[in-house]
Amino acid sequence: AQTVTQSQPEMSVQEAETVTLSCTYDTSESDYYLFWYKQPPSRQMILVIRQEAYKQQNATENRFSVNFQKAAKSFSLKISDSQLGDAAMYFCAYAIKTSYDKVIFGPGTSLSVIP
Amino acid sequence: EAQVTQNPRYLITVTGKKLTVTCSQNMNHEYMSWYRQDPGLGLRQIYYSMNVEVTDKGDVPEGYKVSRKEKRNFPLILESPSPNQTSLYFCASSSPGSLGGYGYTFGSGTRLTVV
Repeated sequence: AQTVTQSQPEMSVQEAETVTLSCTYDTSESDYYLFWYKQPPSRQMILVIRQEAYKQQNATENRFSVNFQKAAKSFSLKISDSQLGDAAMYFCAYAIKTSYDKVIFGPGTSLSVIP
Repeated sequence: EAQVTQNPRYLITVTGKKLTVTCSQNMNHEYMSWYRQDPGLGLRQIYYSMNVEVTDKGDVPEGYKVSRKEKRNFPLILESPSPNQTSLYFCASSSPGSLGGYGYTFGSGTRLTVV
């Protein structure tokens, strides 16, 4: 069974500093998607970044980047120049390409940003 | 505006009183899902639908029902709610290829409390 693990229930970062959130997953599939979703206090789920497994190049979206290690089944999120608005719950998620109906989520990491 | 509309946003009910949480999407998506979010567990899939009249169980289907009579609507029914169904519920939709782009589109969530 596919699982997603986030080993850091809570993290904090100073404003303007860099923080890395960890995620590992377990799968026997070779072609899949990985996602990071942000959930601010408004509880809206917002897609932060997406990675396709067959692409070796790490995805980047402005201040957000990932370190995708396919062999290690690791997918960490780096937030640079942290801002107060980055404070939120972050969920790592996984989906098999041929199973569009199911996205598997990790338990989440609560990120606090200290002014 | 492309969106998933979920109602109500908050709901407090008593044990055993049937309730329905509505979900509607305006993007002509084939796939729709219901998730529940609980602290430390992330989001877990309750039911999903691949198209009209096609539904299947997710990981935690006990105590829930769904129907997909129209492509745009996917209501979640709790026939006899119990306190262990107190949770935050999300409806989400997607289409073939959307996971390769923006992933799921989520509703704004329903905070359900069963007393």
